[in-house]
Amino acid sequence: DVKVTQSSRYLVKRTGEKVFLECVQDMDHENMFWYRQDPGLGLRLIYFSYDVKMKEKGDIPEGYSVSREKKERFSLILESASTNQTSMYLCASSLRGEQYFGPGTRLTVT
Amino acid sequence: GENVEQHPSTLSVQEGDSAVIKCTYSDSASNYFPWYKQELGKRPQLIIDIRSNVGEKKDQRIAVTLNKTAKHFSLHITETQPEDSAVYFCAASMGGAGGSYIPTFGRGTSLIVHP
Repeated sequence: DVKVTQSSRYLVKRTGEKVFLECVQDMDHENMFWYRQDPGLGLRLIYFSYDVKMKEKGDIPEGYSVSREKKERFSLILESASTNQTSMYLCASSLRGEQYFGPGTRLTVT
Repeated sequence: GENVEQHPSTLSVQEGDSAVIKCTYSDSASNYFPWYKQELGKRPQLIIDIRSNVGEKKDQRIAVTLNKTAKHFSLHITETQPEDSAVYFCAASMGGAGGSYIPTFGRGTSLIVHP
């Protein structure tokens, strides 16, 4: 059974802080993804990675960066958090197209 | 890039009725079409998927149909039950190098099944 975990379920940060969201998967999947989920907007892709140290921008990469130093771990970084980054963040790993999601991190930036 | 439109945004049905959610996509190269169900406060989970070499797939009360010519696909739920209440997302993607699929999601349909 695939397990995808995220470092925090809820996070409150102040404007301008650097924020790290971590995601770990235990199924040796090559592909990992970061999404943000906002009401009425669905799931929007921020970044994805198809291998260690490889990353590609998704549809909304502005204000975010990522790191993948190990195959099982994919981190999302908000260099300087802003209030418009308040959202639910979902990580996923993927095998042959099927996405396995983590539980999500609800980030509030005040 | 790919664009996926999903309708309706909200669907309210009585228990036992059928529910149909429709999605259209723009990139004719897309070849993998999954559907995810997200219950309140939980993570999205795959409920059914279809690849472009078939036109229909069924799994108990749920089915997905694909029309590649018209570039649309639909989720059908029969004999709906209150536990079917959730947000449903469609997605379209194309298989790439190394087996990677980069999905584009629809905006979601909130299905409410009234007892």
